[in-house]
Amino acid sequence: AQSVTQLDSQVPVFEEAPVELRCNYSSSVSVYLFWYVQYPNQGLQLLLKYLSGSTLVKSINGFEAEFNKSQTSFHLRKPSVHISDTAEYFCAVTNSGGYQKVTFGIGTKLQVIP
Amino acid sequence: DGGITQSPKYLFRKEGQNVTLSCEQNLNHDAMYWYRQDPGQGLRLIYYSQIVNDFQKGDIAEGYSVSREKKESFPLTVTSAQKNPTAFYLCASTPRREGPDTQYFGPGTRLTVL
Repeated sequence: AQSVTQLDSQVPVFEEAPVELRCNYSSSVSVYLFWYVQYPNQGLQLLLKYLSGSTLVKSINGFEAEFNKSQTSFHLRKPSVHISDTAEYFCAVTNSGGYQKVTFGIGTKLQVIP
Repeated sequence: DGGITQSPKYLFRKEGQNVTLSCEQNLNHDAMYWYRQDPGQGLRLIYYSQIVNDFQKGDIAEGYSVSREKKESFPLTVTSAQKNPTAFYLCASTPRREGPDTQYFGPGTRLTVL
């Protein structure tokens, strides 16, 4: 079985400040990790993913996440947030082999304050 | 443009009525999924289908039914047996039946049962 924990349900941060959204996972086998973003009343969009190789992965809009196997974490960071980053962010995990059941965290609402 | 469409965006029904939510994709993806999203609970898998004419129950299938008669279509019926059907429903697809693929989401249908 696999699970995902997003400890922070809401994170308020001032514009141009740095932010970290935390994600921890548990799994008995190798994992693949994803961050998705959801804007109000819309579907989810992939932000970034870790499948293999470099443990630091980056998105095109300045977010990055680092896969830390020893701490079973995949925290999402951005050095300077914009108003447009206001959204809900979901961490997700799936494991190797066969059908890929994806387990999502409960989400973290990022509120960027002007 | 390729993508996933869900209709309608908003749906209102009286208690005790069955209702069918539409999901269509023109991405030529093999696998399709239905999720339910409730505030503070993240996404929960209702049903998934890896191939035409085959589908499997997810974590919360009770009170729901699906069909997969065509590769591009995966409608979800919310039956009167579903105790608390008011929620935001998201359809997704992945290119392959297996493997750590990105999930592509539709815009969602918000169902309200009066």
